[in-house]
Amino acid sequence: QVQLQESGPGLVKPSETLSLTCSVSGGSVSSANYYWSWIRQPPGKGLEWIGYINHSGSTNYNPSLKSRVAISVDTSKNQFSLKVNSVTAADTAVYYCARVAGPPRRYYFDYWGQGTLVTVSS
Amino acid sequence: QSVLTQPPSASGTPGQRVTISCSGSSSNIGTNYVYWYQQLPGTAPKLLIYSNNQRPSGVPDRFSGSKSGTSVSLAISGLRSEDEADYYCVAWDDSLSGPVFGGGTKLTVL
Repeated sequence: QVQLQESGPGLVKPSETLSLTCSVSGGSVSSANYYWSWIRQPPGKGLEWIGYINHSGSTNYNPSLKSRVAISVDTSKNQFSLKVNSVTAADTAVYYCARVAGPPRRYYFDYWGQGTLVTVSS
Repeated sequence: QSVLTQPPSASGTPGQRVTISCSGSSSNIGTNYVYWYQQLPGTAPKLLIYSNNQRPSGVPDRFSGSKSGTSVSLAISGLRSEDEADYYCVAWDDSLSGPVFGGGTKLTVL
């Protein structure tokens, strides 16, 4: 059974960088069959795809966030990470990491982490 | 403003059949598969329907999906109290080169 677990600071100051890590167990981020993604959900609102990465480090980001976001993968630790710079209160959300399965254009999220709330406030 | 449009709320009584709609465009629903997720309060979303109308193992056959043109629907028959949740549609968008979500529909079981 694949399990994902997000970790990182729950509070970030405005203009600083939000950093989160997703640890994967029961599966490998080195697998060529999957991508690894970040999704967020502001309190009381809907889901927003942030971006994804594959085992070789190839990434794809939501254009609305692309200028501020970076996703990286560490195969030695079986983890992948998210950085969002220059955060504002609008970046306050529950951040989920998820595994992406399926062929191109039929990608879907089959396993999710439990989510971690990140609040942007001074 | 979500790319895919869902009604913000839906409701029904136990045993009833309810449907939740999701509309998009030719760059997403019109040409790609749609997935539905169920999000129970305080939990991560769970895959409910994949490839428009397929159920993952363990999902009751009370849940079904259908697609017509640039719209899809999720139907829940024999409504139960445990179905009270938020439901999201998702599809790949060729213009975005990424997945797009609907805004979510909160289902209330009266």
